[in-house]
Amino acid sequence: QSALTQPPSASGTPGQRVTISCSGSSSNIGSNTANWYQQLPGTAPKLLIYKDNERPSGVPDRFSGSKSGSSASLAISGLQSEDEADYYCAAWDDSLSGWVFGGGTKLTVL
Amino acid sequence: QVQLQQSGPALVKPSQTLSLSCTVSGVSVSSISYYWTWIRQPAGKGLEWIGRIYVNGGTNYSPSLKSRVSISVDTSKNQFSLNLSSVTAADTAVYFCAREAILSSWSHEYTWFDSWGQGSLVTVSS
Repeated sequence: QSALTQPPSASGTPGQRVTISCSGSSSNIGSNTANWYQQLPGTAPKLLIYKDNERPSGVPDRFSGSKSGSSASLAISGLQSEDEADYYCAAWDDSLSGWVFGGGTKLTVL
Repeated sequence: QVQLQQSGPALVKPSQTLSLSCTVSGVSVSSISYYWTWIRQPAGKGLEWIGRIYVNGGTNYSPSLKSRVSISVDTSKNQFSLNLSSVTAADTAVYFCAREAILSSWSHEYTWFDSWGQGSLVTVSS
């Protein structure tokens, strides 16, 4: 049971916009920022969004993040086949004094 | 450009200690701008944070692993290491080292994992 709750799967067709939710609590997302990671099959995760809505250089602006209360969301617009991957949210948990992750969402591009 | 290169045995016997190292290039592990972190991922499952170390030797560990985990840093080799003792089959996973970037404001510390090692599959089996 992950501390952060994500839907196990999401899907969309090329060009569509999809969103992935990440639900936490007052001790993690509610009091700290959320980060998002993309993991392609067989590879290490890659930073996609940090501090709720900041994009590292090199990440396309099709990817965006937002937060409201104890929940965060990742939006992907103009969906492309190469976006097919697993996506994880993460946040520092003050009660645990450690990082917690969502269970991951497998995105399928139909 | 920062690179993290992992090394260590791929097979560990039950009850023994799992040891992995992460050699860093392109940045000093003594930098005050980063934590150095270990994360693992069992096959087909999600990511689990193990712990981290700062340049001053300060550590944070996952509460569920705290009794068995030790993370250390060797500035002479520019590397940091993970030791996980008394392993069982449940510790079989791909282990990742990562750099955790720090951005501090007057009221808050913001961090994120911005660089990752390639991953090391460690199997616990006799």
